[in-house]
Amino acid sequence: KAGVTQTPRYLIKTRGQQVTLSCSPISGHRSVSWYQQTPGQGLQFLFEYFSETQRNKGNFPGRFSGRQFSNSRSEMNVSTLELGDSALYLCASSLAGTRPDTQYFGPGTRLTVL
Amino acid sequence: AQKVTQAQTEISVVEKEDVTLDCVYETRDTTYYLFWYKQPPSGELVFLIRRNSFDEQNEISGRYSWNFQKSTSSFNFTITASQVVDSAVYFCALSEAANRDDKIIFGKGTRLHILP
Repeated sequence: KAGVTQTPRYLIKTRGQQVTLSCSPISGHRSVSWYQQTPGQGLQFLFEYFSETQRNKGNFPGRFSGRQFSNSRSEMNVSTLELGDSALYLCASSLAGTRPDTQYFGPGTRLTVL
Repeated sequence: AQKVTQAQTEISVVEKEDVTLDCVYETRDTTYYLFWYKQPPSGELVFLIRRNSFDEQNEISGRYSWNFQKSTSSFNFTITASQVVDSAVYFCALSEAANRDDKIIFGKGTRLHILP
């Protein structure tokens, strides 16, 4: 079974631009979560989608948004980029059956904001 | 509130030595999962183990072993006969059953250097 895939792997943007990151979960997994990883803050939860609905959101500004498609693929969008948005963005998928569930992570998208 | 503490930010050992990574957690829930993930330089978080709060049996998988002790709220990870390929950042994490959002709370991670 293929793992979680994320595209692109690397992105360089400038302040004020917007960016869209993509995540394809493991086949059969219906839940997709997004995390931001920075050296200072560590791994922080952004949001989770299940069956095309956002189930929960972390403590991030509204510039961070996402969506999930009927095939469980998910996209994350960051608008009006700031220097502090430079980070590794990790996507994780899980079956989302009974809670709690094991999350399997993709390789991440490394975003650099100049 | 749930919390995971990995007090060791960085550890260096010589190859073939044993090394233990500490993890202490806080939760008010009685049903929870604990996890260990490995993050090599490539960046991907690799799932290593999940332990249910009702199962305190220690687990061994090859050179890896885990010691779960509810009495001290600890879930420590030992690598026996370490190898250079074990060099990575290791994260301990917690997920509560009562937590409706499926999110995992991660510790800050322990960076492990295995020196040849």
